[in-house]
Amino acid sequence: DQQVKQNSPSLSVQEGRISILNCDYTNSMFDYFLWYKKYPAEGPTFLISISSIKDKNEDGRFTVFLNKSAKHLSLHIVPSQPGDSAVYFCAAINQGGKLIFGQGTELSVKP
Amino acid sequence: ETGVTQSPTHLIKTRGQQVTLRCSSQSGHNTVSWYQQALGQGPQFIFQYYREEENGRGNFPPRFSGLQFPNYSSELNVNALELDDSALYLCASSLRGQGNYGYTFGSGTRLTVV
Repeated sequence: DQQVKQNSPSLSVQEGRISILNCDYTNSMFDYFLWYKKYPAEGPTFLISISSIKDKNEDGRFTVFLNKSAKHLSLHIVPSQPGDSAVYFCAAINQGGKLIFGQGTELSVKP
Repeated sequence: ETGVTQSPTHLIKTRGQQVTLRCSSQSGHNTVSWYQQALGQGPQFIFQYYREEENGRGNFPPRFSGLQFPNYSSELNVNALELDDSALYLCASSLRGQGNYGYTFGSGTRLTVV
């Protein structure tokens, strides 16, 4: 039962363009969402989060949008840089306060 | 402030054996969570420890067990290893009640079962 889904295993964009990573969830009780970035041989690192009472949160080049009615969130990276190449995980906090992750999307930013 | 440290970084075990993975939590954190990340998948929640007691468990069999020590470090034990246990095991520490849930992950232990 995959409660958090990232349906695109990979995404390739040109440097300077926008990267849009998508995430869907099934549990309407989730009230907090996070994005993590993971490089090979490293653990996931926190990138940005959003509470369910908001529909947008912005931090520098990173913006997360939440559409509760569609149970969908997205991460926008503008402008994309080669150093952004990594695996991005969407995660939700469940009622027990535990992180539930999606499958991840591998972003490749080409110079 | 020190981060989360996991040991060993890599490990090869034979099916049926037992393994112990270790995690030192970030300074100031009192909660440890363990995750299993199979190849091409996202991390799956195994269990969490708070005040040396299990505080929530994912869909993993009892042969996955853990401990938390008074200094908040933790161990993950897996008995009767199976080939499907081959994965990256991630430990994350956090401070219970902290805003944005403040999970800090270690770099993981890569377990290969042959």
